[in-house]
Amino acid sequence: NAGVMQNPRHLVRRRGQEARLRCSPMKGHSHVYWYRQLPEEGLKFMVYLQKENIIDESGMPKERFSAEFPKEGPSILRIQQVVRGDSAAYFCASSPRRDRGATEAFFGQGTRLTVV
Amino acid sequence: QKEVEQDPGPLSVPEGAIVSLNCTYSNSAFQYFMWYRQYSRKGPELLMYTYSSGNKEDGRFTAQVDKSSKYISLFIRDSQPSDSATYLCATTTQGGSEKLVFGKGTKLTVNP
Repeated sequence: NAGVMQNPRHLVRRRGQEARLRCSPMKGHSHVYWYRQLPEEGLKFMVYLQKENIIDESGMPKERFSAEFPKEGPSILRIQQVVRGDSAAYFCASSPRRDRGATEAFFGQGTRLTVV
Repeated sequence: QKEVEQDPGPLSVPEGAIVSLNCTYSNSAFQYFMWYRQYSRKGPELLMYTYSSGNKEDGRFTAQVDKSSKYISLFIRDSQPSDSATYLCATTTQGGSEKLVFGKGTKLTVNP
């Protein structure tokens, strides 16, 4: 059973470009979470999604950031018009059950975004 | 005041030492507590998961929660060079809560 798959592992974007980060949850998992890890900082919650639904986006910046988890295919975290401050490691986690939620979440290897 | 405080270290110990890692938290609503290990350039890996006050042991690892003082600890016995990593404490309010709140992480180096 493959773990949480994120791609690309490394992404370089120029200021003003769009960044698309993909996450395929573990087989059988229908809940996806995105976290951001800035240098020297802990992981910060961004958004929680189920298939075709955004459940909690309280950690998402109000502008330029969006996330989706379509019925088919991976979850996508999209950052429009990237700025240098968006440079960070973005981690996706998935869990199988709502009642155990994030306590049983398994993390992917992350996408390291560098904005130049 | 941050919700979860964790000394970032770095912490350097000789092989075989007992390691103590600690976090404090401010929100009494936090009920579930986790420790993650994160190797350099990798994703966090769940090590221990506890609910309520008390101890939980798994091999060389013991997680301890003291809700009265809002203090959580991870002990590593007989530490090995392969334990060298960053250790993150995390907590959430309920089992079904959608978001984990993390400490900044403590970087541990175990020297052979």
